[in-house]
Amino acid sequence: QKEVEQNSGPLSVPEGAIASLNCTYSDRGSQSFFWYRQYSGKSPELIMFIYSNGDKEDGRFTAQLNKASQYVSLLIRDSQPSDSATYLCARKGASYDKVIFGPGTSLSVIP
Amino acid sequence: NAGVTQTPKFQVLKTGQSMTLQCAQDMNHNSMYWYRQDPGMGLRLIYYSASEGTTDKGEVPNGYNVSRLNKREFSLRLESAAPSQTSVYFCASSGLDTRGNTIYFGEGSWLTVV
Repeated sequence: QKEVEQNSGPLSVPEGAIASLNCTYSDRGSQSFFWYRQYSGKSPELIMFIYSNGDKEDGRFTAQLNKASQYVSLLIRDSQPSDSATYLCARKGASYDKVIFGPGTSLSVIP
Repeated sequence: NAGVTQTPKFQVLKTGQSMTLQCAQDMNHNSMYWYRQDPGMGLRLIYYSASEGTTDKGEVPNGYNVSRLNKREFSLRLESAAPSQTSVYFCASSGLDTRGNTIYFGEGSWLTVV
């Protein structure tokens, strides 16, 4: 079992809809979780990080963490074609722990 | 502010050749990482360095060596390149800041082994 798992997609949503991206992890010692966006041919860029159970909102993005279920999600409201990219979920344990990424989910927002 | 700088950006190697990918960060971060990215595989950790003077294996360390030269620099060496090492390589660094322990990435190095 991979440490971090995501649905590979592709996930297609119409413009203006809510996109829901999911991630599960196996290490219960994981403390911090990150969502990155990566456009084709570019390096990943941070969208959000979360380390407490519950929801965290930043503009059109909401990250949700449930440590009991070992589940992290990212909601994108009012999806735009510019949101079309691969979304990577990552986990980190202690401050000096390694950061492990999932395989990524490809999102396509249809105009 | 350059952030994370890695070189070279593109490289073609013949099977069996050796090469070193260089990486430097100017954010005074303690932790540095090398990842490889292949289609459909996401980012896989090769090696990481939690602090100057330490290195640890990641998910896919075979065929690679690393050196944490100082706090700024972390190099990745392929001693005898194989076609299976054709990939995009990303160097990254992280440190505690207002964005948590966020990882910041370099622009990537495209390596082809023929």
